[in-house]
Amino acid sequence: RKEVEQDPGPFNVPEGATVAFNCTYSNSASQSFFWYRQDCRKEPKLLMSVYSSGNEDGRFTAQLNRASQYISLLIRDSKLSDSATYLCVVRVSGGYNKLIFGAGTRLAVHP
Amino acid sequence: EADIYQTPRYLVIGTGKKITLECSQTMGHDKMYWYQQDPGMELHLIHYSYGVNSTEKGDLSSESTVSRIRTEHFPLTLESARPSHTSQYLCASSEYQGSYNEQFFGPGTRLTVL
Repeated sequence: RKEVEQDPGPFNVPEGATVAFNCTYSNSASQSFFWYRQDCRKEPKLLMSVYSSGNEDGRFTAQLNRASQYISLLIRDSKLSDSATYLCVVRVSGGYNKLIFGAGTRLAVHP
Repeated sequence: EADIYQTPRYLVIGTGKKITLECSQTMGHDKMYWYQQDPGMELHLIHYSYGVNSTEKGDLSSESTVSRIRTEHFPLTLESARPSHTSQYLCASSEYQGSYNEQFFGPGTRLTVL
């Protein structure tokens, strides 16, 4: 079983739609949580960190449920430019900032 | 934009050749990492470094080696390339402290071994 599991998609949605991605992690020593965005054939870039109380950044809302070991990302009012793969990432305890990456969920926003 | 660079961006090479993938960053970060990513798959950590003269192997076994003689430079070497080494190699760096410190990635090197 993978340490970080994501629905691979693709999610094909029209512009303006609201889309939600889910992620589960298995390592109870996970301390920090992130969503990274990776465009096709590009490097991953941090989209947002995920805090225990949940957090929002513009059209993006992230939620964390430690008891269920579950993370979510909600994108409202989807834009064409949101088309990318969204990587769920967890940091496990340890000294070297070890990150465990999910395989990603692909989003395709169409006109 | 992150100041982390990788060369070459693309490399096609024959079996048995020795190759070095270059990675450098100008952010003064102590921690640097090498990941391997196959298409549609997750990133796997193959090497990391806490700082100069510190290198460790990651979770995914790799025949590559790394060195960290200067803070800004973290090259990866394959002594004898094989088709199984075909993949994308991503270098990253981060500051030393903090649970939520971001890892910044370079643009990657897409390696094809024939």
